[in-house]
Amino acid sequence: SYVLTQPPSVSVAPGKTATITCGGDNVGSKSVHWYQQKPGQAPVVVIYYDSDRPSGIPERFSGSKSGNTATLTISRVGAGDEADYFCQVWDTTRDHGVFGTGTTVTVL
Amino acid sequence: QVQLVQSGTDVKKPGASVKVSCKPYGGTFSSYTINWVRQAPGQGLEWMGGIIPIFGKANYAQKFQGRVTITADESTSIAYMEMNSLRSDDTAVYFCARGHAYGDQYYFDSWGQGTLVTVSS
Repeated sequence: SYVLTQPPSVSVAPGKTATITCGGDNVGSKSVHWYQQKPGQAPVVVIYYDSDRPSGIPERFSGSKSGNTATLTISRVGAGDEADYFCQVWDTTRDHGVFGTGTTVTVL
Repeated sequence: QVQLVQSGTDVKKPGASVKVSCKPYGGTFSSYTINWVRQAPGQGLEWMGGIIPIFGKANYAQKFQGRVTITADESTSIAYMEMNSLRSDDTAVYFCARGHAYGDQYYFDSWGQGTLVTVSS
């Protein structure tokens, strides 16, 4: 089955930039989406189609992709950004959703 | 923006079945996919399957094939996820999520609040 790999954790100082990667076979040919999940809450999409941002999501959140790695970047990180982040693609071969392993962002 | 509202917490014994519902408010039902995603305690997100209500045909992750049934009732605009032969490792929060299509690819633009299903003897 298709696997998306993320680092388990990322720590960042307030005001700095957090970078979360998502790697998978042939990710470059798929659209990558990113979700933020805070404890006890449902996930919320923060980036869709690699780099688009839903209304209401701060411009501090951005997405990019290069080769087989997608990246979520959070600039000027604050305490409110502490959460788990998951990448997601749609496996068109199996017509299935696939989530990354998840990354916990900790603000120091 | 559509809001997905799910049924409440449930406790089941091993071997039993559970049926979780998901109803969208403030948006359309039929023209999107409704997907089910589960999250075991302290774990990541796991896609289980989805359905396009207007077509009524569901597809499932291989892991859940044969044990999970996803349906959608267009007359009431409610989607359901039923799982049978429950085991303790099915204890999880179950989310429904609306799939937004771009070509043949989907992302999940709205989520239910989650339903905790506890399987315990």
